[in-house]
Amino acid sequence: DAKTTQPPSMDCAEGRAANLPCNHSTISGNEYVYWYRQIHSQGPQYIIHGLKNNETNEMASLIITEDRKSSTLILPHATLRDTAVYYCIVSLNTGGFKTIFGAGTRLFVKA
Amino acid sequence: SQTIHQWPATLVQPVGSPLSLECTVEGTSNPNLYWYRQAAGRGLQLLFYSVGIGQISSEVPQNLSASRPQDRQFILSSKKLLLSDSGFYLCAWSFDLGPQETQYFGPGTRLLVL
Repeated sequence: DAKTTQPPSMDCAEGRAANLPCNHSTISGNEYVYWYRQIHSQGPQYIIHGLKNNETNEMASLIITEDRKSSTLILPHATLRDTAVYYCIVSLNTGGFKTIFGAGTRLFVKA
Repeated sequence: SQTIHQWPATLVQPVGSPLSLECTVEGTSNPNLYWYRQAAGRGLQLLFYSVGIGQISSEVPQNLSASRPQDRQFILSSKKLLLSDSGFYLCAWSFDLGPQETQYFGPGTRLLVL
């Protein structure tokens, strides 16, 4: 099972880009990298996912290294509402499609 | 569009009392369904998942149980609550898409056992 490593917390100034790193050195060839976030007292929210290529949507960009052993989630212009715990996850195709959420990175966006 | 509902939003129960939390999904058919628990300040712990009616898999031994009586209904139960059952309970659904499985979470139920 692939696992991920994330820093426990990060700070970012409002309006600046937030770059959240994730290591997943044991990822398999058919496993996707997913990012979710959880704002306090709410359920996790899907942000973005990717396999090999970089991805961008209205919320964020996902940069995956060529060897796929690490990735970075980029929030291009962080706002106070982006303060949350961000989870980097590698999807597991083990029947039942179990997704393991670790401790994540607590991002503080400061004015 | 799909929506997921959980109720109640908050619940305070005495130790030893029964529990029933309900989750329903609208706008999709034959979803995968999940129950997670989150202790304060911690990550999510997968409790149960279901790939179809009557099909339940348990991830951790505990005094909780789950049932799926209908395609889009998932229920979490206990006959006798323990103090350690306190936490934030989240229901989620997903499509069966192999490695590309995006989970969508409900608003959660905050349970306090006293």
